[in-house]
Amino acid sequence: EAQVTQNPRYLITVTGKKLTVTCSQNMNHEYMSWYRQDPGLGLRQIYYSMNVEVTDKGDVPEGYKVSRKEKRNFPLILESPSPNQTSLYFCASSPRDDSYAGELFFGEGSRLTVL
Amino acid sequence: KQEVTQIPAALSVPEGENLVLNCSFTDSAIYNLQWFRQDPGKGLTSLLLIQSSQREQTSGRLNASLDKSSGRSTLYIAASQPGDSATYLCAVRQRENRDDKIIFGKGTRLHILP
Repeated sequence: EAQVTQNPRYLITVTGKKLTVTCSQNMNHEYMSWYRQDPGLGLRQIYYSMNVEVTDKGDVPEGYKVSRKEKRNFPLILESPSPNQTSLYFCASSPRDDSYAGELFFGEGSRLTVL
Repeated sequence: KQEVTQIPAALSVPEGENLVLNCSFTDSAIYNLQWFRQDPGKGLTSLLLIQSSQREQTSGRLNASLDKSSGRSTLYIAASQPGDSATYLCAVRQRENRDDKIIFGKGTRLHILP
C-alpha cells in the first residue's frame, strides 16, 4: 500500500531535549516536505526536499533541521525544542515528474508537545 | 509572496444542499492546485488536483474549478451528506527555478446538518 509513515504519532518532551520525527514514503517520490499546523495559522511549510541531498527552507524553518540521505526518508530534527514548537506536524511527498501532476500525499501527523 | 485565502472560515448547511467552497490566490503563476479534506485530529486526504493547464476536475459528487487569471478555485459539493462534515483545505503549488513551494489556505470548516 502506497503511504507516507510518520513516527512517533504522539510525543511529549521537555525543553532542550533533542528529538527526531521520522518520515518515510514507499512511492519513490522525489519531493518530500514538512509542515506544522497550528490553530488560526493553518498549515505552514517548514522545509522541503526536491531530491536526495537537496533541501530548502520553507516559510518557518527556524529551530528545525532536516536531512535527505535516502530518497524514501526525510527526518525532521528539533535540536533544542521549545514550547513554541508544540504543534501538529505533517510530512508529505509527491512525484516531481510532470506526468503525475505533482499530487501531494500526506502522513497521518505527529502531535508534539514541548513542556 | 503567494497568499491563499479561503472564505468563509466556517459554513453550516442542511443535508442535501449543493454548496460551493472558495479558494483565492494572489499569484497566478501556479503549477497546480489541490483540494484536501481533513477530519478532526487526522491527516489530510486528497480530493482533487487541478493542473495549471486545466479548468476543472470531477470526482463523484465533487467538482473543482480553476480560473488562474482571476486567482480563484471553487470546490462544488453536490447533494451534501453529514459525512461531508470536515475541514476543506486548498493548496497552491509553485515551481520556479530552484523553488518548489506549497502554500495552504487556512481552510473552511464545513458542518452538514442532518
